[in-house]
Amino acid sequence: EVQLVESGGGLVKPGGSLRLSCAASGFTFSSYSMNWVRQAPGKGLEWVSSISSSSSYIYYADSLQGRFTISRDNAKNSLYLQVISLRAEDTAVYYCARAAYCGGDCYSAEYFQHWGQGTLVTVSS
Amino acid sequence: DIQMTQSPSTLSASVGDRVTITCRASQSISSWLAWYQQKPGKAPKLLIYKASSLESGVPSRFSGSGSGTEFTLTISSLQPDDFATYYCQQYNTYAGTFGQGTKVGIK
Repeated sequence: EVQLVESGGGLVKPGGSLRLSCAASGFTFSSYSMNWVRQAPGKGLEWVSSISSSSSYIYYADSLQGRFTISRDNAKNSLYLQVISLRAEDTAVYYCARAAYCGGDCYSAEYFQHWGQGTLVTVSS
Repeated sequence: DIQMTQSPSTLSASVGDRVTITCRASQSISSWLAWYQQKPGKAPKLLIYKASSLESGVPSRFSGSGSGTEFTLTISSLQPDDFATYYCQQYNTYAGTFGQGTKVGIK
């Protein structure tokens, strides 16, 4: 069974930073692109970032303005999102999502086949 | 960026109703479209991919159609478990991926 478990969320002051983690199990982590998607309270889904299976291809939403860094450690079956200069508008549940299998270290976008339960990040003074 | 627009934003329906949700893309995305269901406090769940392919384990009352810029999600006979918010997602490119959502409520 595919499992994705996010951690690292919490209350952070504006201007602060944090690192979200996603622990994956139940599949060959190194074969799949991974993604972060966020959802502000009462709002819709917003794609944040994607990383291909071997980290060759990395993409970010333009709106993030260079404050987010996605990475992965295939030896540890883990996905990460480093966020700096946090703002109130970054308050959201952050979901880790596994893409559909694309057959390799793919540059193409994919749909999100499996999701974690999310971790809440609250930015407030 | 490709913009995805869903309609309606909300709808009220009864158990047994046929429900249709539309998603329009600002430019052609071929058939690279997925649909998700999300219930309050839960993660989204994949229903449909490649516009019309049913994800394993999803009830057959859900179906998708369309290509290019216009797509629909149909629930043939609404069940109590189907009251939720539905999102479309384009994966032709990474940017601007999700529609704003359609909340299906009880009439």
